[in-house]
Amino acid sequence: KQEVTQIPAALSVPEGENLVLNCSFTDSAIYNLQWFRQDPGKGLTSLLLIQSSQREQTSGRLNASLDKSSGRSTLYIAASQPGDSATYLCAATQGGSEKLVFGKGTKLTVNP
Amino acid sequence: ETGVTQTPRHLVMGMTNKKSLKCEQHLGHNAMYWYKQSAKKPLELMFVYNFKEQTENNSVPSRFSPECPNSSHLFLHLHTLQPEDSALYLCASSQVNLAGGSDTQYFGPGTRLTVL
Repeated sequence: KQEVTQIPAALSVPEGENLVLNCSFTDSAIYNLQWFRQDPGKGLTSLLLIQSSQREQTSGRLNASLDKSSGRSTLYIAASQPGDSATYLCAATQGGSEKLVFGKGTKLTVNP
Repeated sequence: ETGVTQTPRHLVMGMTNKKSLKCEQHLGHNAMYWYKQSAKKPLELMFVYNFKEQTENNSVPSRFSPECPNSSHLFLHLHTLQPEDSALYLCASSQVNLAGGSDTQYFGPGTRLTVL
């Protein structure tokens, strides 16, 4: 059964800093891995999806990497801004299915 | 309307009430999902409808009853809930491939449910 862990649970950084959020998963037989952002009391917004055959994906200031052999993914945020403050969720598929297993998230605060 | 919509956004109900949550997706996807998000717990998958057929029921109590009349609409019928069922209920949709797996899941804004 897939289990997803995110470290750290919370992170506070000054504006402009580059940062890395970590995600680990126990079952490497994934179809894909997804990163989402959630603002307080809101739904989830998809940031990046990495297929199992890919090593990384980039969108603007965001870069996500995937290492299936070690069961790890990282989300790199460059030049952080206060508007990046949110909870970031990592989700890996349950095997090759469409079902996602989520981590508890990392709550990011970017201070002006 | 675009994306995934959910109604109502907020719901307060007593333990003896019967209510329904509604979700609608305007993305042409073939799979829809219900998730429960409680404080300090990971997002929990409750139900999956793939091509309108229920493919997942993660040991959800029978007081939660899903309904998927077509590929665009999903309901969650609630009856005799408990206070511990208070949570944010999120709906999502995606395009599932015939060979298995899915593209990005798109989420609605959620319904904040409080059970008194």
